[in-house]
Amino acid sequence: SAVISQKPSRDICQRGTSLTIQCQVDSQVTMMFWYRQQPGQSLTLIATANQGSEATYESGFVIDKFPISRPNLTFSTLTVSNMSPEDSSIYLCSVGATEAFFGQGTRLTVV
Amino acid sequence: DAKTTQPPSMDCAEGRAANLPCNHSTISGNEYVYWYRQIHSQGPQYIIHGLKNNETNEMASLIITEDRKSSTLILPHATLRDTAVYYCIVRVPNSGGSNYKLTFGKGTLLTVNP
Repeated sequence: SAVISQKPSRDICQRGTSLTIQCQVDSQVTMMFWYRQQPGQSLTLIATANQGSEATYESGFVIDKFPISRPNLTFSTLTVSNMSPEDSSIYLCSVGATEAFFGQGTRLTVV
Repeated sequence: DAKTTQPPSMDCAEGRAANLPCNHSTISGNEYVYWYRQIHSQGPQYIIHGLKNNETNEMASLIITEDRKSSTLILPHATLRDTAVYYCIVRVPNSGGSNYKLTFGKGTLLTVNP
């Protein structure tokens, strides 16, 4: 199993600003995944973060809006840039291939 | 990507078995069926997965039909804490490498009633 810690757990941000979400894992992992869950919706994969290479983004998500860092095998950050109210969501990081483990998420509200 | 179809909601009485169905008629031969659940305000939790044989663990049982076009997750003795959205997912290859990504559908909201 893996224990995942996300920071912050929640935040309220002004439109036009950026927020960086941190994800720390208690073991080394090759890939980390970032998801978005809009209000009342299911989870949507934003990107896959590989250590030592550029993140792979899913259709509809771009690096300029959601830059990702992966400096080592236990840590990753997701930045939500130039936020608008439509970015209000829960953002979750995940690790694991056979059994995926998820953090508790970051609840973001943009006002 | 293979798609899954689940009923949007189900009810179950506490202490009774909860049987959650999932259709995945376009599943490929090397794709697994995974089940996760998401309790309100928490991240998803892995439950069980299988390829073609029935599987059982401490949380649940997974019954996969012989043609693999559908499956059923069974919670043998549902409790109030099992109230959650249950996701049936067919695992597909990740475009970036050998690890597999998870594509979540809308899931089934299971409500366990006292």
